Amino acid sequence: GEDVEQSLFLSVREGDSSVINCTYTDSSSTYLYWYKQEPGAGLQLLTYIFSNMDMKQDQRLTVLLNKKDKHLSLRIADTQTGDSAIYFCAESLWSNSGYALNFGKGTSLLVTP
Amino acid sequence: DSGVTQTPKHLITATGQRVTLRCSPRSGDLSVYWYQQSLDQGLQFLIQYYNGEERAKGNILERFSAQQFPDLHSELNLSSLELGDSALYFCASSPGTSAQETQYFGPGTRLLVL
Repeated sequence: GEDVEQSLFLSVREGDSSVINCTYTDSSSTYLYWYKQEPGAGLQLLTYIFSNMDMKQDQRLTVLLNKKDKHLSLRIADTQTGDSAIYFCAESLWSNSGYALNFGKGTSLLVTP
Repeated sequence: DSGVTQTPKHLITATGQRVTLRCSPRSGDLSVYWYQQSLDQGLQFLIQYYNGEERAKGNILERFSAQQFPDLHSELNLSSLELGDSALYFCASSPGTSAQETQYFGPGTRLLVL
């Protein structure tokens, strides 16, 4: 299948904002997700956005969606060292007779003091 | 803690062998999904079961199979293992099959094939 594209690496200083970008594949994807994976851990759902929304804010997280360009971004305000992790963008795709998540390869976020 | 449990946490085996990975979904969830995470392929959807029936199939090899039991736990069977099967295998669950349902992931089983 087609690939969900993400930049592989992002480094920011503590207290700055981080913006992680993603380009997804299917304009009919109804839900788009951001997951976080800390070293040695599983995937933690951070937030999601429905395709009829342009923006969703959840505490320090802001998700922006540009459906025309199939572009999704995650902004983390006041980034902390504990935010260092891999962030995955995922789209909900119809597969055979059910929905499955199509993930990007992940963006490694490094937050330096 | 997502409520999804997976066992074992780590598994080391040899090429040609067969292993079984186990997943228990969150209480009340009827759908179970299996994903493989490897360095070269990233996170790939393998297969979904809903209430005991296979629902959706992704990039699952013929050497791999899965099932979901009446108590809703699921097992992923990997046979004739190859070095390239070394990966982190995740299970996720959701209440049903709708696109808007969030999938909650387990901690994964790390498989190393030597």
